[in-house]
Amino acid sequence: GDSVTQMEGPVTLSEEAFLTINCTYTATGYPSLFWYVQYPGEGLQLLLKATKADDKGSNKGFEATYRKETTSFHLEKGSVQVSDSAVYFCPTRYSGAGSYQLTFGKGTKLSVIP
Amino acid sequence: SAVISQKPSRDICQRGTSLTIQCQVDSQVTMMFWYRQQPGQSLTLIATANQGSEATYESGFVIDKFPISRPNLTFSTLTVSNMSPEDSSIYLCSVGGPNSNQPQHFGDGTRLSIL
Repeated sequence: GDSVTQMEGPVTLSEEAFLTINCTYTATGYPSLFWYVQYPGEGLQLLLKATKADDKGSNKGFEATYRKETTSFHLEKGSVQVSDSAVYFCPTRYSGAGSYQLTFGKGTKLSVIP
Repeated sequence: SAVISQKPSRDICQRGTSLTIQCQVDSQVTMMFWYRQQPGQSLTLIATANQGSEATYESGFVIDKFPISRPNLTFSTLTVSNMSPEDSSIYLCSVGGPNSNQPQHFGDGTRLSIL
């Protein structure tokens, strides 16, 4: 079945450091790919998405590119802030008929220190 | 995107009791989903709730334990029945369309602790 593998956390960075959170997937067909962020005590917020190969999603300084050849969707940000501390998820959504659910990985906890 | 309100936001319950969680959306949506997030873990889909049909449960989840209602296109409830400490989790409602390129949007969740 479909699965998502995320970089093990927790990840601890200093403010203004460069961020990469790795995400790879296995899927039948060509799934849509998403990044969600979960701040402490809150639900999940959509951060960005990509629906086909080579698409780049971007939002709030975060970027991720749909790499079909490596089945990856790594999240990057050039300069993190303390307010970026959260758990990040990169679920996939299969493109087949009748398939509605998001398949989640374990999430990656990011802590940014001043 | 849709605004999703969940009630209650948190609760502490006694084992053996049941709790009903409500999910209200500010617009009509086709599909509603219920997820469980156990402490420090990822999200697991419990069931998909479409208006006018029975909820579709994922492997490991049964209707007797997690009955779901979907009376209209803006509202759903999830009941956690006969609770035990293992049911202590965050329960999240989400909404989304039927197309794979449509993201799901989540409520803030219900944080449930069972004593």
